[in-house]
Formats: sequence, structure tokens, C-alpha cells
Amino acid sequence: GAGVSQSPSNKVTEKGKDVELRCDPISGHTALYWYRQRLGQGLEFLIYFQGNSAPDKSGLPSDRFSAERTGESVSTLTIQRTQQEDSAVYLCASSLWYTDEQFFGPGTRLTVL
Amino acid sequence: TQLLEQSPQFLSIQEGENLTVYCNSSSVFSSLQWYRQEPGEGPVLLVTVVTGGEVKKLKRLTFQFGDARKDSSLHITAAQPGDTGLYLCAGVGAGGTSYGKLTFGQGTILTVHP
Repeated sequence: GAGVSQSPSNKVTEKGKDVELRCDPISGHTALYWYRQRLGQGLEFLIYFQGNSAPDKSGLPSDRFSAERTGESVSTLTIQRTQQEDSAVYLCASSLWYTDEQFFGPGTRLTVL
Repeated sequence: TQLLEQSPQFLSIQEGENLTVYCNSSSVFSSLQWYRQEPGEGPVLLVTVVTGGEVKKLKRLTFQFGDARKDSSLHITAAQPGDTGLYLCAGVGAGGTSYGKLTFGQGTILTVHP
């Protein structure tokens, strides 16, 4: 079956603009996660969804970052008033249930000029 | 906050050499996962070690979980160019607000030269 997909694969934006990043999880997976990965670094947890509720938003860096999920389907990560330090790869993962193996998408590379 | 220190950050070796990557923490994890990530792709799970002292082998890769479940190592025997990539360890939180949460190390960029 299809894996986790993310769009766009690359996004270049100007400082101060808003961006939306999309994640389509594996069908039937109830848990969805967003991570940020700076160049050559490990992954930084941002937020986790169980269904369409977000029990853990502790990793969101600031109030410019928000995310939502429709049912047990697509999720959108929104970054408002982007800053250069927001430049990174944003990875989405899904799992059947929380604590199960996570399957990662290919990521969205965000560049803020 | 749980932290996982991964070393070395960079490793450049010749084909046929052996190598070890380490992950260390002061926190106890319920399990520890190792991932490999290729450029432009998301991480792919290689193995999960669960029991303190556990050793798992995956062809030329040997993974070990420390007795206290605070540290882990990945050993590659006779490295090949196809092993080149970013290797990540991730600890699974054992309880409290960290329960089930993945804490990633900084990653090791491995380059194996022919």
C-alpha cells in the first residue's frame, strides 16, 4: 500500500510569508507526528495527533506554528510569518497506534529567504 | 527533558573497515530504535532493542542495548559503500510526559569509500 506522502517536496518562501505543509498518513493509522530536521541533524519533535486531537503540542517552537488534522486523515502544519531559522526539513510520520512503529514520509524542505 | 547524545557526528572510512556508533543518555528508555536515512527520504527503522543487555544482529550490523537501558551501540562489520547514509538512534520514553515519545540523537553521517 501507499506510504506516508508529503507535499510540497520543496518550498521556498520569503521571510514573513505564511506556509502550509501537508501530510497524508498511511490509511488506517490513528497516530500522526510532525518533526523538524535541521541540516545533518537528528529529528526534533513538534506535535503528535491521536485521531484529530493533539495530546502533545509541546514541541511547537512558537505560536507561529500550528497544526490540525482532519479525522484520521490528512494533517496540515502551518507556519505564520516565517523566519530564516524556520528553514529545515519538516517530516511527518504515522503509526497504527501511539507507540507503534512510525513510518516516515519523505519530508518537505522549507527554505526561508 | 530527555537527551540522547550520539557520536561520532561524522565518520569517513574505507570499504572493509569496521565501525561503531554510540548513543548515550542519563535517562532510561523503554526501548531504543535505530534508523537509517537516505538523502531526500525519511528515516527507515532498522531495529528496535527492548531488553537491557539485548543484542540484535542484522546481517553485518550488530545493535546492543545497555544493561541499564540508557545507552546503545551500532557496530558495522566490513562496511560497504552501500552503508553510506545518516544513522539515527531514538529512545522511546519510559513514563510520565515522555511515555512513548521518541527522542532522537543528532545522527551520524557515515561515508564509506570504495
